[in-house]
Amino acid sequence: GEDVEQSLFLSVREGDSSVINCTYTDSSSTYLYWYKQEPGAGLQLLTYIFSNMDMKQDQRLTVLLNKKDKHLSLRIADTQTGDSAIYFCARGGNTPLVFGKGTRLSVIA
Amino acid sequence: GAGVSQSPSNKVTEKGKDVELRCDPISGHTALYWYRQSLGQGLEFLIYFQGNSAPDKSGLPSDRFSAERTGGSVSTLTIQRTQQEDSAVYLCASSPERVLPPYEQYFGPGTRLTVT
Repeated sequence: GEDVEQSLFLSVREGDSSVINCTYTDSSSTYLYWYKQEPGAGLQLLTYIFSNMDMKQDQRLTVLLNKKDKHLSLRIADTQTGDSAIYFCARGGNTPLVFGKGTRLSVIA
Repeated sequence: GAGVSQSPSNKVTEKGKDVELRCDPISGHTALYWYRQSLGQGLEFLIYFQGNSAPDKSGLPSDRFSAERTGGSVSTLTIQRTQQEDSAVYLCASSPERVLPPYEQYFGPGTRLTVT
């Protein structure tokens, strides 16, 4: 199977919370990341978490890391139409990144 | 300031032709990465340059792919004898010399390559 896996699609209503999940097999990386890709644009680092942390909160974003289960999630509170994009989970550090295939988030007004 | 730039933004080529894709990293960034984003394969690492060290070529899919970085700045990714499966968006990213956690990579907008 793939090293980093995530579901391909997620659809939510505006104002609801979105939760994007990611699993990985190689736990050697020091950081785990969430990148956002909007149509026609490059990848933008959205948030990250150090591998020894369990949770990180940054405004509307909450990252949860379960090292035992090798599971990472990104919660977006009060999802807006501007949050519609592809979200990539990645693992790395001072090395090339290993990405999941991306989750396309669609926000319904 | 200026971000990572890539050219061309779009390239259509015939099967069997060679193509060159260019990346201009952020000024002063010594680390440079090439990735490929294709349908069904997601984002794959291709090659990594760090300062004057030998590049990490472990992600290159075949010997038709090569890359160089001149003067520690601009990089060119060359694909020889292009095949239809080479059709993808090629992304370049760079990082500064003294990389601090979280080791952020700054991505360019990509070059969309279509092989007909």
